Amino acid sequence: DQQVKQNSPSLSVQEGRISILNCDYTNSMFDYFLWYKKYPAEGPTFLISISSIKDKNEDGRFTVFLNKSAKHLSLHIVPSQPGDSAVYFCAASDSGSARQLTFGSGTQLTVLP
Amino acid sequence: KAGVTQTPRYLIKTRGQQVTLSCSPISGHRSVSWYQQTPGQGLQFLFEYFSETQRNKGNFPGRFSGRQFSNSRSEMNVSTLELGDSALYLCASSLARGNEQFFGPGTRLTVL
Repeated sequence: DQQVKQNSPSLSVQEGRISILNCDYTNSMFDYFLWYKKYPAEGPTFLISISSIKDKNEDGRFTVFLNKSAKHLSLHIVPSQPGDSAVYFCAASDSGSARQLTFGSGTQLTVLP
Repeated sequence: KAGVTQTPRYLIKTRGQQVTLSCSPISGHRSVSWYQQTPGQGLQFLFEYFSETQRNKGNFPGRFSGRQFSNSRSEMNVSTLELGDSALYLCASSLARGNEQFFGPGTRLTVL
């Protein structure tokens, strides 16, 4: 039973446009959410996070939106750059086991020049 | 600050053998977590250590074990290796009160 789902395995976007990556979760105990970027043969790189007490968090070109009622979060990248091409994972945790991250299956983002 | 380091980066073993992987967290980070990444199952949590104590454990058999030393460095051991243990093993560290985990480059284990 996948508790964190990324339903789009891949996404292609033109350079300069907005990339929107989506993530859904089923466990209502999750209260902290993170996005990671991963290149082949490397470990995931932390991008941005959001607590369930917020509905938006912004860091430079990256913004994460959280809709608790829909159990949905999204990562917006504006403007997209070719160097953003990577696999993006969303992850979730709950306060009871804060360092047990549950990951989605990832979305391969390709930014076309 | 130096990032999370893992050794070795690549390892080839045969079925039935055992293996030990090592992880050095970011300086000042006292929590170390281990994850397994496979094409079929994705990234799955193995266990987490804090102050030399295992605080959390994922759904893996007892062949997977770990420990943490007083300097926060951690080792992970897999005994009686099976073909299905072939995976990328990732270590992540975080501050005692931090939610963000920072990952190392991983150890690619191949079991023949």
